[in-house]
Amino acid sequence: EAGVAQSPRYKIIEKRQSVAFWCNPISGHATLYWYQQILGQGPKLLIQFQNNGVVDDSQLPKDRFSAERLKGVDSTLKIQPAKLEDSAVYLCASSLDGTIHEQYFGPGTRLTVT
Amino acid sequence: AQSVTQLGSHVSVSEGALVLLRCNYSSSVPPYLFWYVQYPNQGLQLLLKYTSAATLVKGINGFEAEFKKSETSFHLTKPSAHMSDAAEYFCAVSENDYKLSFGAGTTVTVRA
Repeated sequence: EAGVAQSPRYKIIEKRQSVAFWCNPISGHATLYWYQQILGQGPKLLIQFQNNGVVDDSQLPKDRFSAERLKGVDSTLKIQPAKLEDSAVYLCASSLDGTIHEQYFGPGTRLTVT
Repeated sequence: AQSVTQLGSHVSVSEGALVLLRCNYSSSVPPYLFWYVQYPNQGLQLLLKYTSAATLVKGINGFEAEFKKSETSFHLTKPSAHMSDAAEYFCAVSENDYKLSFGAGTTVTVRA
């Protein structure tokens, strides 16, 4: 069974530029999560999708971050414009039934904003 | 509100020695508790979880953790460290089935 795929793995941009990350969850997984992991901290949930609907986006900075999950499969996370404090690893995870007990993580995208 | 505190951001152990990683939680209801491991340039992998069954939970790679309600703790142990245990470890808590809150992580280095 293929795992959660993410691309790109690394990205370096200048502040005020825009960037997008892509995630392909495990086949058949209805729930998809985006986490932000700042160096020295644990992952923080940004947004959770159930199929193509948003379940929780309470910690997503909506003035600059957006995410979509068209057709309930792949998802993209966008930052526009980026700030220095957005430098982090962005992790995508998926689960079959929306519970935390069987959440599978991708390798992450490391973003550096200069 | 749920939260987790991991005591010690870095732990260094000798190969073959005991590994002990400390985690204390705060929760308004009986929690679910998890330990995840993250190897360099990889995503998080579940080591073990507590879901209100046995208080001593055994996980993969020889790790285990004990839930102690009186101490609000869920410490992770492994009797004998191996070089391959070098990684970052995260404790996480949830008050429901849907949202995880992670600690800041503990980096483990293993000395030969």
